[in-house]
Amino acid sequence: EPEVTQTPSHQVTQMGQEVILRCVPISNHLYFYWYRQILGQKVEFLVSFYNNEISEKSEIFDDQFSVERPDGSNFTLKIRSTKLEDSAMYFCASSPFGASDYGYTFGSGTRLTVV
Amino acid sequence: QKEVEQNSGPLSVPEGAIASLNCTYSDRGSQSFFWYRQYSGKSPELIMFIYSNGDKEDGRFTAQLNKASQYVSLLIRDSQPSDSATYLCAVIPTGNQFYFGTGTSLTVIP
Repeated sequence: EPEVTQTPSHQVTQMGQEVILRCVPISNHLYFYWYRQILGQKVEFLVSFYNNEISEKSEIFDDQFSVERPDGSNFTLKIRSTKLEDSAMYFCASSPFGASDYGYTFGSGTRLTVV
Repeated sequence: QKEVEQNSGPLSVPEGAIASLNCTYSDRGSQSFFWYRQYSGKSPELIMFIYSNGDKEDGRFTAQLNKASQYVSLLIRDSQPSDSATYLCAVIPTGNQFYFGTGTSLTVIP
């Protein structure tokens, strides 16, 4: 079964450093998303991406964050100048159509620890 | 503010029983409703979705939607220990953004 692949599975970084989280969505999917889940809290939307541009973003997704689809397969989330509160599980997801049709498939996640 | 509320549990049921999970949402205009299962430390997995009022069945799972009451539920029949997980209710009011509840922790006791 096709899956969304995320790397690395665990990233430890020092406060103030930049990190790039990588995702390979399912190949025929057109919509891509990033979510995060702080330990013990809700899964929270960060951003959606369609047709090579951001289509929606949440209040969390401020200037510290950026997304990119540098080639036909990868989808990345960059977090600049990381803070302790950025420690969370980050999930990438993709869907063939808009999410309201069939939902989407999540990747296995990257656990980001900022120290 | 678009809120999705779930009883955090934990909910414990014996093996073979029916587990009933509930969810309410605040945005009356919401059209799409989803149930995801999340095992500890893992990503959410889609169980099923429902758009119309009434019941929708898929194997041992039944989703129920009542838009007038802004209420969604998930029934799991013949519960198995492997069903032990956190169940997340997710709602899309508009666009492609999910609003998730905090999840209900289910334990199925052998």
